[in-house]
Amino acid sequence: AQSVTQLDSQVPVFEEAPVELRCNYSSSVSVYLFWYVQYPNQGLQLLLKYLSGSTLVKGINGFEAEFNKSQTSFHLRKPSVHISDTAEYFCAVTKGSGNTPLVFGKGTRLSVIA
Amino acid sequence: DVKVTQSSRYLVKRTGEKVFLECVQDMDHENMFWYRQDPGLGLRLIYFSYDVKMKEKGDIPEGYSVSREKKERFSLILESASTNQTSMYLCASSSAGTVNEKLFFGSGTQLSVL
Repeated sequence: AQSVTQLDSQVPVFEEAPVELRCNYSSSVSVYLFWYVQYPNQGLQLLLKYLSGSTLVKGINGFEAEFNKSQTSFHLRKPSVHISDTAEYFCAVTKGSGNTPLVFGKGTRLSVIA
Repeated sequence: DVKVTQSSRYLVKRTGEKVFLECVQDMDHENMFWYRQDPGLGLRLIYFSYDVKMKEKGDIPEGYSVSREKKERFSLILESASTNQTSMYLCASSSAGTVNEKLFFGSGTQLSVL
């Protein structure tokens, strides 16, 4: 079975500073990886995904993530955060074949401080 | 604008009551999912469905059942609500054959069982 571990439950960062949210996955088969974001009082929305091809994927709002197979990681990064990036971020994984549901991590709460 | 609509944003019920949580999507999606979201635990899959009248258990189905009589509607049923079912419930949908590449989420129902 697949699983993900988000290494930080909370990340405070000052506005315009860079940020990295860490995610490691566990799987014996090939995987697809995702980051979702949940703004306050809203449902989740897809930020970016890795299915195949280039290991560096770019998403919405200036976020990017890098798939690292040897380290089984899929860390999310942004070079300069804004107050509006304050939200909860979820890493998710599914098998790279078949139509299986996503498995989500426990989430990382990003707080951007003015 | 595509939508997943959950019938109630907040719901308060008493222990032992039968509770129905409704979810409707307008995107003609085949796949629908129910997750519960708890602080520090992330999202956990309760049930999912890939077709009308079809259902599959997720990771935590105990105490829940589901109904999918029409393609656009997926209902979560708590047969006899208990206090440990107090949680945020999220419904999601996706199109078939996309390996769940993109889930569309509703805004959630915050259920309190007293």
